[in-house]
Amino acid sequence: DTGVSQDPRHKITKRGQNVTFRCDPISEHNRLYWYRQTLGQGPEFLTYFQNEAQLEKSRLLSDRFSAERPKGSFSTLEIQRTEQGDSAMYLCASSPTGTGGTAFFGQGTRLTVV
Amino acid sequence: DQQVKQNSPSLSVQEGRISILNCDYTNSMFDYFLWYKKYPAEGPTFLISISSIKDKNEDGRFTVFLNKSAKHLSLHIVPSQPGDSAVYFCAASPQGGSEKLVFGKGMKLTVNP
Repeated sequence: DTGVSQDPRHKITKRGQNVTFRCDPISEHNRLYWYRQTLGQGPEFLTYFQNEAQLEKSRLLSDRFSAERPKGSFSTLEIQRTEQGDSAMYLCASSPTGTGGTAFFGQGTRLTVV
Repeated sequence: DQQVKQNSPSLSVQEGRISILNCDYTNSMFDYFLWYKKYPAEGPTFLISISSIKDKNEDGRFTVFLNKSAKHLSLHIVPSQPGDSAVYFCAASPQGGSEKLVFGKGMKLTVNP
């Protein structure tokens, strides 16, 4: 296992289209996080899974966003009816429980909505 | 409201000298503080962390200092190397629950040969 893997690395989509991103965490990590990073800002928390259960969602996660983690392994983040404001880097991270927030990040998916 | 603040957007130092990166926070409920390093086109990489019950943690060339009364932490890199040039993020994790990270805006460190 070489770390957290995200696919695709880049995605360009037209406004109004749906997009889906995938994250494969480090296999023994039961926690999985999605963050979003825009230019000049630090990553912002979107949502968190403990195994397959989605336990927390940020107010940033509008109803156009949905995330799943079936069977507690990989996770998907879907954005419906994309808007230009959704353009950002979407980062996935994983960690074992109880490490004080020490999370390992993937390389991210850069979304551009045109 | 910005709970974790990195007020200096950039820092430039000479190779071999000390780099000091500062971070302030406002939320007393933060339990852990972390530093991440980010190179262009890559995700953040964990560097070092400190628990709120400690005031110093050292790992090789990297030392993090925590001043809880001032709600301030700093990262010292000694000696600085050109490969340390990157964007550094200060982050904090609240007690219990998800341990989600709250990040500052980052600071770009440039180490000149």
